[in-house]
Amino acid sequence: QKEVEQDPGPLSVPEGAIVSLNCTYSNSAFQYFMWYRQYSRKGPELLMYTYSSGNKEDGRFTAQVDKSSKYISLFIRDSQPSDSATYLCATGKAAGNKLTFGGGTRVLVKP
Amino acid sequence: GAGVSQSPSNKVTEKGKDVELRCDPISGHTALYWYRQSLGQGLEFLIYFQGNSAPDKSGLPSDRFSAERTGGSVSTLTIQRTQQEDSAVYLCASSVSGISTDTQYFGPGTRLTVL
Repeated sequence: QKEVEQDPGPLSVPEGAIVSLNCTYSNSAFQYFMWYRQYSRKGPELLMYTYSSGNKEDGRFTAQVDKSSKYISLFIRDSQPSDSATYLCATGKAAGNKLTFGGGTRVLVKP
Repeated sequence: GAGVSQSPSNKVTEKGKDVELRCDPISGHTALYWYRQSLGQGLEFLIYFQGNSAPDKSGLPSDRFSAERTGGSVSTLTIQRTQQEDSAVYLCASSVSGISTDTQYFGPGTRLTVL
């Protein structure tokens, strides 16, 4: 079993809809959580970073962490075709710098 | 400013050959990471360099893989006697100081195909 599980999709939504993405993780040592966006043939870019349970908002993006259930989510409001990409969740331990990634969810926002 | 750059962008090689992949981190970043992304898979950590400290090689899959970082800047990932299962996108990232909360900035990757 992978330490971080993520549904590969693809997830297809109409423009303007809310995109809901999630990951589960198994290691309680993971203390911080990130969401990366990766366009085709590009490197991942950081979208959101959280260090604790709860919600964090940044514009149209909301990241949610529930450490008790080891569940992390990303919501994209008012989705745009430019949001079409692969979204990767990543986790890290308080000590150490290696990130453990989920497999990524491919999202397609249709105009 | 310039981001992380990697070369070549694509590399096709024959099974058994050696390959070298290059990473130029963001200027001033002391931490450098290599990851591997196989088709449909997430990123897999390979190796981490931080300043003059000994690198964390715990993610290297076999002794055919090695990496070095010269002068605290450019890094080269070498794969000896390539195998077909080595086909993947190899991504490099750098961060300011390598602490856990630092953002890792990724390059565009090198797509390696082993025939």
